[in-house]
Amino acid sequence: QVQLVQSGAELKKPGSSVRISCKASGGSFSNYGITWVRQAPGQGLEWMGGILPIYGTSSYAQRFQGRVTIIADESTRTAYMELSGLRSEDTAVYYCARVSGTTLWYYFDYWGQGTLVSVSS
Amino acid sequence: QVVLTQSPSASASLGASVNLTCTLSSGPASYAIAWHQQQAQKGPRFLMRLNSDGSHTKGDGIPDRFSGSSSGAERYLTISSLQSEDEADYYCQTWGTGIVFGGGTKLTVL
Repeated sequence: QVQLVQSGAELKKPGSSVRISCKASGGSFSNYGITWVRQAPGQGLEWMGGILPIYGTSSYAQRFQGRVTIIADESTRTAYMELSGLRSEDTAVYYCARVSGTTLWYYFDYWGQGTLVSVSS
Repeated sequence: QVVLTQSPSASASLGASVNLTCTLSSGPASYAIAWHQQQAQKGPRFLMRLNSDGSHTKGDGIPDRFSGSSSGAERYLTISSLQSEDEADYYCQTWGTGIVFGGGTKLTVL
């Protein structure tokens, strides 16, 4: 059974950075993409970017380019998403998800439980 | 880029059936999609991948009450024998020209 377990809630100041982890168990880690999606309060799902652990290559949504970094540690089966230059509009629940294939351009078949990031002065 | 359009809300009675629709536009009508369910205060859950011919592959443990079908650019999620736990937001997702989500449909079970 594949499970993605994310790190806990974060409270951050504007201008700071946040790093969220996503630890995978069950199934292969390296042969699937890991992607990050966020959901602002009362809003829908927004794709941020993802990584292919087997190649170490990442791709990011244009609106987050320059502010987001996604990495993966195959030895610990953990992916990380770092978002910098935080502003109040980044307050959201951040989800990791597994991509059902060795690609980022496919459907997501398992999701993490979500991490609430609150940005406030 | 492909746009996925969903009705903001839907409702149906306990024990009844409901069809939720996801419409593809600004891209090929042949694209497959995925359906995800998000219950209140929970993370999304993958329901199924749905192809343009209506064939679909469901996620782990998804009941037979959930099925999918397609017609042209429309992708449908049918939930039969509605239960209270089916009350949730339902999102469609595609990947043909980047990752795109629909705006979601909030399903109320009466």
